[in-house]
Amino acid sequence: KQEVTQIPAALSVPEGENLVLNCSFTDSAIYNLQWFRQDPGKGLTSLLLIQSSQREQTSGRLNASLDKSSGRSTLYIAASQPGDSATYLCAVRRSATNAGKSTFGDGTTLTVKP
Amino acid sequence: NAGVTQTPKFRVLKTGQSMTLLCAQDMNHEYMYWYRQDPGMGLRLIHYSVGEGTTAKGEVPDGYNVSRLKKQNFLLGLESAAPSQTSVYFCASSFRLAGGQETQYFGPGTRLLVL
Repeated sequence: KQEVTQIPAALSVPEGENLVLNCSFTDSAIYNLQWFRQDPGKGLTSLLLIQSSQREQTSGRLNASLDKSSGRSTLYIAASQPGDSATYLCAVRRSATNAGKSTFGDGTTLTVKP
Repeated sequence: NAGVTQTPKFRVLKTGQSMTLLCAQDMNHEYMYWYRQDPGMGLRLIHYSVGEGTTAKGEVPDGYNVSRLKKQNFLLGLESAAPSQTSVYFCASSFRLAGGQETQYFGPGTRLLVL
């Protein structure tokens, strides 16, 4: 059974700092990995999706990398801003059939202080 | 587009009561999902649907039933609520691109407290 772990559970940084969030998974036979953002009391918003054949994806100040062999993904946030404060979750999907069969991590709650 | 909406936003139930959570999407997505989110356990899939009139069990289906009578709506029912069903419930919908890529769009969640 796939297990997804995100460490640390919480992170606090000053504004402007570059930071890395970690996601590890136990089964390297994945189809893709997705990073989400969740604001308090809100649903999840997709940030980046990396297919198993890819090594990284970029969107603005965000860069996600994937190393299947070691079962790890990182989300790099450049020049952090208070508006980046949220919980970041990663989700690993095993097969091409049905996104709902994804395994989610518990998330890392990020606080960016002005 | 309103995206994915959920009704109600918050509800308190007594043990044994029943209720239905409504999810609606206006993006013409084929796939819809119900998750529950609990501290330390991530999001877990309860039930899902790959099209109108179809439903399937997810990881934690016990104590829940679902229906997809219309493409845009996915209902989650609790027939006899238990305190263990206290959680935040999220609905999501998605469509699949030709290459198999699929992104889920989530609703804002329903907070349920069972006393």
